[in-house]
Amino acid sequence: EDQVTQSPEALRLQEGESSSLNCSYTVSGLRGLFWYRQDPGKGPEFLFTLYSAGEEKEKERLKATLTKKESFLHITAPKPEDSATYLCAVPHWGSARQLTFGSGTQLTVLP
Amino acid sequence: GAGVSQSPSNKVTEKGKDVELRCDPISGHTALYWYRQSLGQGLEFLIYFQGNSAPDKSGLPSDRFSAERTGGSVSTLTIQRTQQEDSAVYLCASSLSQASSYNEQFFGPGTRLTVL
Repeated sequence: EDQVTQSPEALRLQEGESSSLNCSYTVSGLRGLFWYRQDPGKGPEFLFTLYSAGEEKEKERLKATLTKKESFLHITAPKPEDSATYLCAVPHWGSARQLTFGSGTQLTVLP
Repeated sequence: GAGVSQSPSNKVTEKGKDVELRCDPISGHTALYWYRQSLGQGLEFLIYFQGNSAPDKSGLPSDRFSAERTGGSVSTLTIQRTQQEDSAVYLCASSLSQASSYNEQFFGPGTRLTVL
């Protein structure tokens, strides 16, 4: 059974204080890993897809990396508007290909 | 272009009543998913539609839940005889679907269902 674990559950940073969020996964065969951002009262917003170990993707202050066991979402010099819950997910192997989500990291960036 | 839309945004109902939730996927997306997000819990897969194929209902929690997709586009999730534990945010997502890859899913804003 696919499992996705995110840590920490919550993270408070000062504006400009860089950090990383972790997503570890146990799957029978990696077919991609997705990062989403979710603001309160809204649906998840797609950020990145990573398909193979060693791959990196960047978007503004965010950089996602992938190894064979885990993915990191690095946040460089965050701003208060980066505050959100960050979710990672892996696709299920099967006809449905639904996503198995981690429980998320709730990030708060203080001004 | 327009994203995934869902209606209503909020629904309050009494225990035992039936509810219908609607999802309009992104134009051209052949795959459509329903998920449920309960307070303090992660997203839980409910049902999947791909083109004209029979849906994958493996995530539906009980036979009170059903869904249909008309004309390969709009989908409706129906919950019969609602219970308080059905209270959650119901999210719809759509994606391009290709046999050789796993495409990202794009989510709608969700419908917040409250069962009194």
